[in-house]
Amino acid sequence: GAVVSQHPSRVICKSGTSVKIECRSLDFQATTMFWYRQFPKQSLMLMATSNEGSKATYEQGVEKDKFLINHASLTLSTLTVTSAHPEDSSFYICAGENYNSPLHFGNGTRLTVT
Amino acid sequence: DAKTTQPPSMDCAEGRAANLPCNHSTISGNEYVYWYRQIHSQGPQYIIHGLKNNETNEMASLIITEDRKSSTLILPHATLRDTAVYYCIAGGYGQNFVFGPGTRLSVLP
Repeated sequence: GAVVSQHPSRVICKSGTSVKIECRSLDFQATTMFWYRQFPKQSLMLMATSNEGSKATYEQGVEKDKFLINHASLTLSTLTVTSAHPEDSSFYICAGENYNSPLHFGNGTRLTVT
Repeated sequence: DAKTTQPPSMDCAEGRAANLPCNHSTISGNEYVYWYRQIHSQGPQYIIHGLKNNETNEMASLIITEDRKSSTLILPHATLRDTAVYYCIAGGYGQNFVFGPGTRLSVLP
């Protein structure tokens, strides 16, 4: 089946620094990448979607200047949390899609901002 | 994006079939029904999807009503490792996958 690799799985950073999360589709070309955020005991919340080579589309309430998304190729998308603060601590999950397969998710990144 | 509703929690005895219902009464004609599950601190795992016919794979079976307004995910012989949150989503290629709260399935020994 389709595999999405997300890295790192855990990261701890200091307040004010930036963190980059990578999402790779290993055996398929992801025409669209989805980025979700999940707080404890809650469901996944869609943050943004991106198509290869295009600007990301952000959901209402998600700051595009804070959560920078790059989808440079059909197999790689990155999410950079800029000037992270403790309230950005969360579980971030990416997912890749193409027309030939259902959405496949990475294993998530646990971000802790101290 | 169609909204789905699921019971918040269910219990199932180990070895028995787990039947998880989902209502999607506003699903449109070109939207599929997808099922995913999430085990704590992991990304959601794809289980199965279907449009209008019943589907079966190595993990589960999906039964969709004729009017497509509801469906049931069946885990034929639940094990302790099937304890997870199960999400039913109506959507398709090019649409946003919107997650509801899902059903927390507890498989009991």
